[in-house]
This record gives sequence, C-alpha cells and structure tokens, in this order.
Amino acid sequence: QVQLVESGGGVVQPGRSLRLSCEVSGFTFGSYGMHWVRQAPGKGLEWVAVTWYDGSDTYYADSVKGRFTISRDNPKNTLYLQMNSLRVEDTAVYYCARARYSNGWHTDDSWGQGTLVTVSS
Amino acid sequence: SYVLTQPPSVSVAPGQTARISCGGNKFGSKTVHWLQQRPGQAPVLVVYDDSDRPSGIPERFSGSHSGNTATLTISRVEAGDEADYYCQVWDSSSDHLVFGGGTKLTVL
Repeated sequence: QVQLVESGGGVVQPGRSLRLSCEVSGFTFGSYGMHWVRQAPGKGLEWVAVTWYDGSDTYYADSVKGRFTISRDNPKNTLYLQMNSLRVEDTAVYYCARARYSNGWHTDDSWGQGTLVTVSS
Repeated sequence: SYVLTQPPSVSVAPGQTARISCGGNKFGSKTVHWLQQRPGQAPVLVVYDDSDRPSGIPERFSGSHSGNTATLTISRVEAGDEADYYCQVWDSSSDHLVFGGGTKLTVL
C-alpha cells in the first residue's frame, strides 16, 4: 500500500538549518509531483512547496521562498525539504503529500503522518 | 495572495446534514478539493475535482461548486465526522496551492 514517512524533525535554534526527508513506497515516486504542507500548533494547513515529478520545476510559499528548498531523489524514492535561516514562526508539523494535476497541482489522497519541527532558543 | 474563506465553525445534530462553504475571488474558474482532519491525525482527501469522492470515502460526503461558492455536504452526520475541514485550490496566477482557513465541524 501507499506509504509516506517523514523524518528529520526536532528542536532547532532560530537561524539554524534542518533537512526533512519523506520516504515513499507503494507507488512509482518518479511519476508524481510532491508537496510539503505544514501546520503550526493549533492552526490551519499552510502550503510550503511543490516539486514536479522530475524536479524540473518548483514553487514556494512566499513565507519560505529563499530560505527553504524542495528537492527529490527519485532512485531513492525520497523527497527533501532543506530549511535554512529558521524562524520561530516555522514551528509546525510538516507533512509531505503526493500531488495530482487537475486544473492545478493539488494534494491527492496520500499524506504522511508528519514530523514536528520546533524552532526555539 | 489568493484567499479562500470558510466559516470557522459549523454545528449539527447527529443524523442531520452539515454544509460547509468555501469561497474566493474569481472562484468559478478553479477546481476545489476538500480535506478532513481529525484531531491528531493527518489530513484525508474526502472530495476532489469539486464533486468526486476518493475510494473508501462514504457516499454521505458530497461536493458542489457553483459560481463563487463551493460546498461540502455531509449527510446523515455521525459522531465520527467531527473534525476540521479544509478546502483547497491551485492559484494559477501565483502557482501557489491555497488552503481555506478551515471549518470545525461539531456534532452536537
């Protein structure tokens, strides 16, 4: 069955870096675009970034553009999110989600369970 | 940036019908998708492409989209439907995925 497993979360000081991973199985990873979506404690869902199936194109939320980088290693079935210059407001559970194209790139029915990133001094 | 508007909360008695709205500017040209998120869990897609249901989602969940409003309708509401519901669209002018603020469904 389809599985997405995030890892790499933890506690980090403001200004430092962290890299999240999302390892997938159960589907042909290289045929799908992928999203990162986050959720601050007690808040709603916030889109972070998307990458095309082959990594040839990427888009970012304004709040993370220039600080975060989404990438993928298709042979390793793994999606990444490199987070630099972290801020307190980046504290959230980070989810990876599979993308599907239908008048735009939305998330389909495959999501990970999330990994918690806490930015605190 | 594009904004999707949802009511913060909707309450309904068991067995009744819940309707959750979602709206935005120039909304008619966009395709709407709906997610359910129970406390402490990852989101689950319940409606995609305005009105289609993924496999495994009960027929009680349905979606519609007319003009500047999309609606998620949950018929014969059950206690297990209590959750936060989010609408989602792709904004092609900015190439951003946009979520509504979420609606907390309370089953009385």
